[in-house]
Amino acid sequence: DAGVIQSPRHEVTEMGQEVTLRCKPISGHNSLFWYRQTMMRGLELLIYFNNNVPIDDSGMPEDRFSAKMPNASFSTLKIQPSEPRDSAVYFCASSLGLGAGSYEQYFGPGTRLTVT
Amino acid sequence: AQTVTQSQPEMSVQEAETVTLSCTYDTSENNYYLFWYKQPPSRQMILVIRQEAYKQQNATENRFSVNFQKAAKSFSLKISDSQLGDTAMYFCAHNYGGSQGNLIFGKGTKLSVKP
Repeated sequence: DAGVIQSPRHEVTEMGQEVTLRCKPISGHNSLFWYRQTMMRGLELLIYFNNNVPIDDSGMPEDRFSAKMPNASFSTLKIQPSEPRDSAVYFCASSLGLGAGSYEQYFGPGTRLTVT
Repeated sequence: AQTVTQSQPEMSVQEAETVTLSCTYDTSENNYYLFWYKQPPSRQMILVIRQEAYKQQNATENRFSVNFQKAAKSFSLKISDSQLGDTAMYFCAHNYGGSQGNLIFGKGTKLSVKP
């Protein structure tokens, strides 16, 4: 199994630009999670989906952030416009589902975003 | 509110020795799950071990084991025969086992294994 795939691995952009992060979950997993990791705030859940439907987006910091999951094998996290304080490592994770016994989340390698 | 507390920001251990990382959590739920994740310098988050709250037996995965004290809401990770490759950040995480799927993470403990 290829695991969770994220692209790009590194992204450097200028303030004000649009950034799109991509994720392919493990095949057969029905739940997908987006996290952000910074030194100051640690790991924060931004949003998660179940069966392609957003379940909880209360962690999305601002309207500049949006996420979509058009199908079971692809999700995007978009930041528009980007700001220096968005610099972080963004992780995507997937799990079998939200039911009992399905809680292990498997993480992708992360995207390191730097906004200058 | 659910919280996860890791009170040891940094720890070190000699190779081949045993080390225990602490974690406490707060929840009002009765059925939930607890996890330890490892994040080496490569930054990949790797699941180390999981524990279901309804199971009294402590989980074990090779050199990794947990001491789960439900009443005390404590979930420590013991690493036996520490190896250099165990050097990493270790995160304790909690999921309260309902229809919610999100994990609550602690701030992490940075473990250094010294030769």
